Amino acid sequence: AQSVTQLDSQVPVFEEAPVELRCNYSSSVSVYLFWYVQYPNQGLQLLLKYLSGSTLVKGINGFEAEFNKSQTSFHLRKPSVHISDTAEYFCAVSGPSGNTPLVFGKGTRLSVIA
Amino acid sequence: GAVVSQHPSRVICKSGTSVKIECRSLDFQATTMFWYRQFPKQSLMLMATSNEGSKATYEQGVEKDKFLINHASLTLSTLTVTSAHPEDSSFYICSASHRSGGEQYFGPGTRLTVT
Repeated sequence: AQSVTQLDSQVPVFEEAPVELRCNYSSSVSVYLFWYVQYPNQGLQLLLKYLSGSTLVKGINGFEAEFNKSQTSFHLRKPSVHISDTAEYFCAVSGPSGNTPLVFGKGTRLSVIA
Repeated sequence: GAVVSQHPSRVICKSGTSVKIECRSLDFQATTMFWYRQFPKQSLMLMATSNEGSKATYEQGVEKDKFLINHASLTLSTLTVTSAHPEDSSFYICSASHRSGGEQYFGPGTRLTVT
């Protein structure tokens, strides 16, 4: 079975400051890892994904994440946040097939303060 | 590419009635579709997995007779909430994946309110 832990339920940060949203996972098999963003009353938008290859993954809106197999982590980072980044962020893991469902973390609420 | 739509985006119904939510993959063939449920300020919880032409596989605790899932074609899956009650009010999100695997594409969600 797979599980995802997002260590912070809420992260407040000032505009233009850097941010890191933490995600740890557990799995007995190789996994795919994802970060999604959800704005109020909307569906999920994929920020980035790790399937294989380079452990540093760059996504949309200036976000990036690093897969660390030894620490079973996939932390999301952005060097300078904007007000528009205020949203809920979900880390998710799936098995190595499109036919396996995603297991989501509980989410981290990023609040960017002007 | 890889667009998934849901209809309706928002629905209000009376207690005891049934509601059907459609999930469509617009530009790819979805061999597998997933239905998730999200309560306010919570994460997404998987309800069921459906493969085209097969019966859906429900997660533990999800009533299959209450949440009817049909995946009749490679581009359409439907979720019918039967005899809806106020506690069924939630945000329902579908996702779809194709044969090459690894990624799911999410619909925009359907807000169901049962009065």
